[in-house]
Amino acid sequence: SQQGEEDPQALSIQEGENATMNCSYKTSINNLQWYRQNSGRGLVHLILIRSNEREKHSGRLRVTLDTSKKSSSLLITASRAADTASYFCATDAGGQNFVFGPGTRLSVLP
Amino acid sequence: NAGVTQTPKFQVLKTGQSMTLQCAQDMNHNSMYWYRQDPGMGLRLIYYSASEGTTDKGEVPNGYNVSRLNKREFSLRLESAAPSQTSVYFCASSAFNYGYTFGSGTRLTVV
Repeated sequence: SQQGEEDPQALSIQEGENATMNCSYKTSINNLQWYRQNSGRGLVHLILIRSNEREKHSGRLRVTLDTSKKSSSLLITASRAADTASYFCATDAGGQNFVFGPGTRLSVLP
Repeated sequence: NAGVTQTPKFQVLKTGQSMTLQCAQDMNHNSMYWYRQDPGMGLRLIYYSASEGTTDKGEVPNGYNVSRLNKREFSLRLESAAPSQTSVYFCASSAFNYGYTFGSGTRLTVV
């Protein structure tokens, strides 16, 4: 069963625009993570945000967490063609293991 | 380079054949995981090992077995492959409460 679900399933934007992806989950969590996967490659860890945190930044990435709404968002600012990838959120639902959503496919057009 | 190494990268099996997917990490992580990834379904956990000497079932363990050989190595075995096991398999490792480091995957086709 999927704990987290990303929205939208697919997103196309122009280079230089911002991209926002959302993740909703069902039960309380300790931590939420975002990953990127380029086509044919493994997943790469982007950011981990803990349940007592509301926002984290890493370069052009900004992640927010709203535990009252059970949702998180990933914002990529000033997108580049190299940001084209699938993005996954993963939640731990209080346990040790993380459950991944089906992902958002982001296409950044030059 | 530090990280998670999976072998093989590609494999084609006939129905009923067996094989073992190998995974090794050099980051001294306690926890290791095996996931499968199918189109539109994200990653599903097959088995995990919280520490050396322990293994537990994940969401989709049927048809698979695992061995945590030592702290570095965690193998996944298909005893009798079925077409439904056609997938991309990822091994990952983590330290407690930190992000996962993934291998580059094994693309398995069962015909």
